[in-house]
Amino acid sequence: EVQLVESGGGLVQPGRSLRLSCTASGFTFGDYAMSWVRQAPGKGLEWVGFIRSKAYGGTTEYAASVKGRFTISRDDSKSIAYLQMNSLKTEDTAVYYCMRPKGGYYWGPSYWGQGTLVTVSS
Amino acid sequence: DIQMTQSPSSLSASVGDRVTITCRASQGISNSLAWYQQKPGKAPKLLLYAASRLESGVPSRFSGSGSGTDYTLTISSLQPEDFATYYCQQYYSTPPWTFGQGTKLEIK
Repeated sequence: EVQLVESGGGLVQPGRSLRLSCTASGFTFGDYAMSWVRQAPGKGLEWVGFIRSKAYGGTTEYAASVKGRFTISRDDSKSIAYLQMNSLKTEDTAVYYCMRPKGGYYWGPSYWGQGTLVTVSS
Repeated sequence: DIQMTQSPSSLSASVGDRVTITCRASQGISNSLAWYQQKPGKAPKLLLYAASRLESGVPSRFSGSGSGTDYTLTISSLQPEDFATYYCQQYYSTPPWTFGQGTKLEIK
Protein backbone atom coordinates (compact mmCIF):
# COMPACT_ATOMS: atom_id res chain seq x y z
CA GLU A 1 0.00 0.00 0.00
CA VAL A 2 1.32 3.44 -0.92
CA GLN A 3 1.90 5.56 2.15
CA LEU A 4 3.14 9.14 2.23
CA VAL A 5 3.68 10.88 5.55
CA GLU A 6 4.55 14.57 5.67
CA SER A 7 6.27 16.11 8.68
CA GLY A 8 8.13 19.22 9.72
CA GLY A 9 5.33 21.75 9.68
CA GLY A 10 4.79 24.31 12.40
CA LEU A 11 4.80 27.98 13.27
CA VAL A 12 7.60 30.06 11.75
CA GLN A 13 8.26 33.78 11.53
CA PRO A 14 8.25 35.62 8.22
CA GLY A 15 11.65 35.54 6.55
CA ARG A 16 12.72 32.34 8.27
CA SER A 17 13.17 28.86 6.83
CA LEU A 18 11.54 25.50 7.31
CA ARG A 19 12.14 22.06 5.83
CA LEU A 20 9.32 19.60 5.26
CA SER A 21 9.80 15.88 4.80
CA CYS A 22 7.68 13.34 2.95
CA THR A 23 8.47 9.80 4.06
CA ALA A 24 7.28 7.14 1.64
CA SER A 25 6.62 3.45 2.04
CA GLY A 26 4.93 0.64 0.18
CA PHE A 27 6.71 1.21 -3.15
CA THR A 28 10.14 1.68 -4.68
CA PHE A 29 10.56 5.38 -3.97
CA GLY A 30 13.43 5.93 -6.39
CA ASP A 31 11.30 4.90 -9.36
CA TYR A 32 8.86 7.80 -8.97
CA ALA A 33 8.76 11.53 -9.47
CA MET A 34 7.30 13.36 -6.48
CA SER A 35 5.29 16.55 -6.24
CA TRP A 36 4.27 19.04 -3.57
CA VAL A 37 0.93 20.86 -3.49
CA ARG A 38 -0.34 23.31 -0.90
CA GLN A 39 -3.70 24.55 0.31
CA ALA A 40 -4.10 27.84 2.16
CA PRO A 41 -6.76 27.81 4.91
CA GLY A 42 -10.20 27.73 3.34
CA LYS A 43 -8.75 27.98 -0.16
CA GLY A 44 -8.15 25.75 -3.17
CA LEU A 45 -5.17 23.66 -4.23
CA GLU A 46 -1.95 25.15 -5.59
CA TRP A 47 0.75 23.06 -7.26
CA VAL A 48 4.13 23.96 -5.72
CA GLY A 49 6.76 21.86 -7.43
CA PHE A 50 8.04 18.54 -8.66
CA ILE A 51 11.21 16.46 -8.67
CA ARG A 52 11.96 13.87 -11.30
CA SER A 53 13.38 10.50 -10.45
CA LYS A 54 17.15 10.02 -10.75
CA ALA A 55 16.57 8.04 -13.95
CA TYR A 56 15.27 11.29 -15.46
CA GLY A 57 17.97 13.46 -13.98
CA GLY A 58 16.38 14.25 -10.63
CA THR A 59 15.66 17.76 -11.88
CA THR A 60 13.02 20.05 -10.45
CA GLU A 61 10.25 22.40 -11.54
CA TYR A 62 8.54 25.07 -9.43
CA ALA A 63 5.53 27.31 -9.42
CA ALA A 64 6.32 30.94 -10.11
CA SER A 65 5.10 31.88 -6.62
CA VAL A 66 7.86 29.87 -4.90
CA LYS A 67 10.64 29.74 -7.47
CA GLY A 68 13.93 30.93 -5.99
CA ARG A 69 12.69 30.45 -2.42
CA PHE A 70 11.69 26.79 -2.27
CA THR A 71 13.86 23.78 -3.15
CA ILE A 72 12.74 20.18 -3.57
CA SER A 73 15.24 17.38 -3.07
CA ARG A 74 15.14 13.66 -2.49
CA ASP A 75 17.06 10.96 -0.64
CA ASP A 76 16.21 7.70 -2.35
CA SER A 77 18.18 5.69 0.22
CA LYS A 78 15.77 6.90 2.91
CA SER A 79 12.64 7.13 0.71
CA ILE A 80 12.19 10.78 1.63
CA ALA A 81 11.36 13.85 -0.41
CA TYR A 82 12.12 17.25 1.06
CA LEU A 83 10.70 20.72 0.58
CA GLN A 84 13.13 23.38 1.79
CA MET A 85 11.29 26.66 2.22
CA ASN A 86 13.33 29.84 2.64
CA SER A 87 12.36 33.50 2.98
CA LEU A 88 8.89 32.48 4.08
CA LYS A 89 6.01 34.89 3.68
CA THR A 90 2.66 35.04 5.44
CA GLU A 91 1.03 33.96 2.18
CA ASP A 92 2.94 30.66 2.36
CA THR A 93 0.69 29.64 5.25
CA ALA A 94 -0.96 26.41 4.09
CA VAL A 95 -1.26 22.68 4.47
CA TYR A 96 1.49 21.13 2.37
CA TYR A 97 0.88 17.79 0.72
CA CYS A 98 3.29 15.48 -1.07
CA MET A 99 2.05 13.36 -3.95
CA ARG A 100 3.14 10.33 -5.94
CA PRO A 101 1.74 9.59 -9.37
CA LYS A 102 -0.29 6.45 -9.78
CA GLY A 103 1.28 3.47 -11.48
CA GLY A 104 1.76 3.87 -15.20
CA TYR A 105 2.10 7.64 -14.98
CA TYR A 106 5.26 9.67 -14.59
CA TRP A 107 3.25 12.67 -13.50
CA GLY A 108 -0.37 13.60 -13.21
CA PRO A 109 -3.04 11.62 -11.34
CA SER A 110 -1.62 11.07 -7.90
CA TYR A 111 -1.91 9.67 -4.41
CA TRP A 112 -1.56 12.14 -1.56
CA GLY A 113 -0.13 12.20 1.94
CA GLN A 114 -2.18 13.56 4.83
CA GLY A 115 -0.47 16.94 4.79
CA THR A 116 1.42 19.09 7.27
CA LEU A 117 0.42 22.61 8.33
CA VAL A 118 2.84 25.48 7.96
CA THR A 119 1.89 28.76 9.64
CA VAL A 120 3.98 31.82 8.84
CA SER A 121 3.29 34.52 11.36
CA SER A 122 5.10 36.90 13.66
CA ASP B 1 0.33 28.42 -18.03
CA ILE B 2 -2.94 26.56 -18.57
CA GLN B 3 -5.82 28.01 -16.57
CA MET B 4 -8.62 25.77 -15.33
CA THR B 5 -12.06 27.27 -14.81
CA GLN B 6 -14.31 25.06 -12.72
CA SER B 7 -18.04 25.60 -12.26
CA PRO B 8 -20.13 25.95 -10.29
CA SER B 9 -18.13 27.01 -7.24
CA SER B 10 -20.84 25.58 -5.01
CA LEU B 11 -23.81 23.35 -5.50
CA SER B 12 -26.70 22.25 -3.29
CA ALA B 13 -28.28 18.92 -4.04
CA SER B 14 -30.22 16.10 -2.42
CA VAL B 15 -29.45 12.44 -1.93
CA GLY B 16 -30.34 10.63 -5.13
CA ASP B 17 -29.82 13.66 -7.39
CA ARG B 18 -27.66 13.60 -10.49
CA VAL B 19 -25.05 16.36 -10.48
CA THR B 20 -22.53 17.61 -12.99
CA ILE B 21 -19.41 19.68 -12.42
CA THR B 22 -17.54 21.28 -15.30
CA CYS B 23 -13.91 22.20 -15.90
CA ARG B 24 -12.77 24.27 -18.84
CA ALA B 25 -9.11 24.57 -19.77
CA SER B 26 -7.63 27.66 -21.39
CA GLN B 27 -6.21 25.41 -24.13
CA GLY B 28 -6.66 21.84 -25.23
CA ILE B 29 -5.33 19.30 -22.74
CA SER B 30 -5.91 16.03 -24.63
CA ASN B 31 -7.85 14.34 -21.82
CA SER B 32 -4.97 14.92 -19.36
CA LEU B 33 -7.38 15.63 -16.55
CA ALA B 34 -7.88 14.20 -13.09
CA TRP B 35 -10.72 14.69 -10.62
CA TYR B 36 -10.22 14.65 -6.85
CA GLN B 37 -12.62 14.58 -3.92
CA GLN B 38 -11.70 16.32 -0.67
CA LYS B 39 -13.54 16.04 2.61
CA PRO B 40 -12.97 18.52 5.46
CA GLY B 41 -9.62 18.05 7.17
CA LYS B 42 -8.57 15.31 4.76
CA ALA B 43 -6.26 15.02 1.78
CA PRO B 44 -7.73 14.96 -1.70
CA LYS B 45 -8.54 11.52 -3.06
CA LEU B 46 -8.13 10.55 -6.70
CA LEU B 47 -11.47 9.70 -8.35
CA LEU B 48 -10.83 9.73 -12.10
CA TYR B 49 -7.91 10.24 -14.44
CA ALA B 50 -7.42 10.55 -18.19
CA ALA B 51 -10.72 12.42 -18.05
CA SER B 52 -12.90 9.30 -17.86
CA ARG B 53 -10.99 6.44 -16.24
CA LEU B 54 -12.27 5.46 -12.84
CA GLU B 55 -9.68 4.93 -10.11
CA SER B 56 -9.78 1.50 -8.51
CA GLY B 57 -12.25 1.33 -5.64
CA VAL B 58 -14.21 4.41 -6.67
CA PRO B 59 -17.96 3.75 -7.03
CA SER B 60 -19.32 3.55 -10.56
CA ARG B 61 -21.81 6.37 -9.89
CA PHE B 62 -18.84 8.67 -10.60
CA SER B 63 -18.05 9.22 -14.25
CA GLY B 64 -16.09 11.65 -16.36
CA SER B 65 -16.27 12.84 -19.91
CA GLY B 66 -15.04 15.51 -22.23
CA SER B 67 -12.39 16.36 -24.75
CA GLY B 68 -10.32 19.27 -25.93
CA THR B 69 -10.89 22.04 -23.41
CA ASP B 70 -14.19 20.99 -21.76
CA TYR B 71 -14.61 18.24 -19.19
CA THR B 72 -17.31 17.10 -16.79
CA LEU B 73 -17.60 15.05 -13.64
CA THR B 74 -20.99 13.45 -13.12
CA ILE B 75 -22.34 11.75 -10.01
CA SER B 76 -25.33 9.75 -11.14
CA SER B 77 -27.11 9.34 -7.80
CA LEU B 78 -25.73 11.30 -4.87
CA GLN B 79 -25.00 9.41 -1.70
CA PRO B 80 -24.51 11.01 1.75
CA GLU B 81 -20.77 10.33 1.62
CA ASP B 82 -20.41 12.28 -1.65
CA PHE B 83 -20.91 15.67 -0.06
CA ALA B 84 -17.42 17.14 -0.33
CA THR B 85 -15.35 19.52 -2.42
CA TYR B 86 -14.28 18.42 -5.89
CA TYR B 87 -11.26 19.62 -7.84
CA CYS B 88 -10.09 19.07 -11.38
CA GLN B 89 -6.40 19.13 -12.28
CA GLN B 90 -4.79 19.26 -15.69
CA TYR B 91 -1.49 17.48 -16.21
CA TYR B 92 -0.95 18.18 -19.88
CA SER B 93 2.64 18.52 -20.98
CA THR B 94 5.09 20.32 -18.69
CA PRO B 95 4.42 21.97 -15.32
CA PRO B 96 2.73 23.86 -13.78
CA TRP B 97 -0.14 21.41 -13.46
CA THR B 98 -2.99 23.61 -12.44
CA PHE B 99 -6.16 22.94 -10.46
CA GLY B 100 -9.66 24.23 -10.84
CA GLN B 101 -10.96 26.47 -8.06
CA GLY B 102 -13.05 23.67 -6.56
CA THR B 103 -16.77 22.90 -6.30
CA LYS B 104 -18.28 22.53 -2.86
CA LEU B 105 -21.16 20.07 -2.98
CA GLU B 106 -23.57 20.62 -0.11
CA ILE B 107 -26.71 18.93 1.08
CA LYS B 108 -29.92 20.74 0.14
